[in-house]
Amino acid sequence: KQEVTQIPAALSVPEGENLVLNCSFTDSAIYNLQWFRQDPGKGLTSLLLIQSSQREQTSGRLNASLDKSSGRSTLYIAASQPGDSATYLCAVLNTGNQFYFGTGTSLTVIP
Amino acid sequence: GAVVSQHPSRVICKSGTSVKIECRSLDFQATTMFWYRQFPKKSLMLMATSNEGSKATYEQGVEKDKFLINHASLTLSTLTVTSAHPEDSSFYICSARGQGRVGYEQYFGPGTRLTVT
Repeated sequence: KQEVTQIPAALSVPEGENLVLNCSFTDSAIYNLQWFRQDPGKGLTSLLLIQSSQREQTSGRLNASLDKSSGRSTLYIAASQPGDSATYLCAVLNTGNQFYFGTGTSLTVIP
Repeated sequence: GAVVSQHPSRVICKSGTSVKIECRSLDFQATTMFWYRQFPKKSLMLMATSNEGSKATYEQGVEKDKFLINHASLTLSTLTVTSAHPEDSSFYICSARGQGRVGYEQYFGPGTRLTVT
């Protein structure tokens, strides 16, 4: 069974810093990997989707990379802002059409 | 992007009653819908996968008689929590995946907070 792990579980940084969130998965047979943001008590907002054939995707201050062979993905956030404070989840879609979520990283950006 | 709605956003019910949660894809046809449960400060746990017009596939440990899922149309799936108990209190999120334009990307609803008293 696919296992998705995110490190660190929680992160606190001062405003303006660049930061990296990590996601690892055990089964490399995936269709794609998605990064989501979740605010407290809210649903999920999709940030970036990387297909299994791609290496990275960028959207504004966010850059996500994927190394399928090693089972790793990173989400890079440049010039962090207090509004970036949220829980970040990565999820992989297996070739068996099942979607597995990571454990999440709770990010706090201090003004 | 594609939009998925859930109704209600919050519901409080008494033990022993049943609660129905609706999940709708508003601007695309969802061939597959997923139901997740999220405990406080935990990640999402997949409960079941439903394909339009067929029975849902439940994950191990999820009681199919307690969590009834119906995917009667390409835009609507419902989750009914039967004979609810306080331990069923949770945040329930649905997602939908279509075909064609939306490809394999999943779109998530805003979630439903269920509190059983």
